[in-house]
Amino acid sequence: AQSVTQLGSHVSVSEGALVLLRCNYSSSVPPYLFWYVQYPNQGLQLLLKYTTGATLVKGINGFEAEFKKSETSFHLTKPSAHMSDAAEYFCAVSDRRSSYKLIFGSGTRLLVRP
Amino acid sequence: EAGVTQFPSHSVIEKGQTVTLRCDPISGHDNLYWYRRVMGKEIKFLLHFVKESKQDESGMPNNRFLAERTGGTYSTLKVQPAELEDSGVYFCASSSGQGGYEQYFGPGTRLTVT
Repeated sequence: AQSVTQLGSHVSVSEGALVLLRCNYSSSVPPYLFWYVQYPNQGLQLLLKYTTGATLVKGINGFEAEFKKSETSFHLTKPSAHMSDAAEYFCAVSDRRSSYKLIFGSGTRLLVRP
Repeated sequence: EAGVTQFPSHSVIEKGQTVTLRCDPISGHDNLYWYRRVMGKEIKFLLHFVKESKQDESGMPNNRFLAERTGGTYSTLKVQPAELEDSGVYFCASSSGQGGYEQYFGPGTRLTVT
């Protein structure tokens, strides 16, 4: 069965510091991987996705993630945090054997300190 | 282009009552998904429609939940009778295809069963 693990339910960084949110997945088939963000009182918004091709994926708002098959990881990074990045972030894998439904990690809440 | 909309945004009902949640997907999106996030847990898949047909309802918790998508447009999710453990946020998402296609999420319906 496919699964996603996000290390750290809460991550706190200073404004201007590096953001690193960790995601590890388990999948018996080549995965489709996604990062979504949820701002307060809003729905989930896609940050970036990996399907095939280049393993370093760039997304919106300066975020990027690297697919590392050997480590089964898809960590999300941003060089310099902004206050507006404070939100909850979800890593997900698409279940290619069953309707391509998304299997989510438990989420990481990012706090940005001034 | 209008995004995915959900109604109501909040619902508070008593145990044993019935509630119907509605989702309007992005126009032209054949794929419609329902997910749920129970407090403190990860977002979990409930079911998937392609047009008006249920493709995968493996995530539906029990027969108190009934989803429909008449005419392949909007969808409803009825909970009857509601139980305390049904409380959570119900998300709807739509996509134009499967696989690596982005699922666009609505803002969710927060259901509280007292």
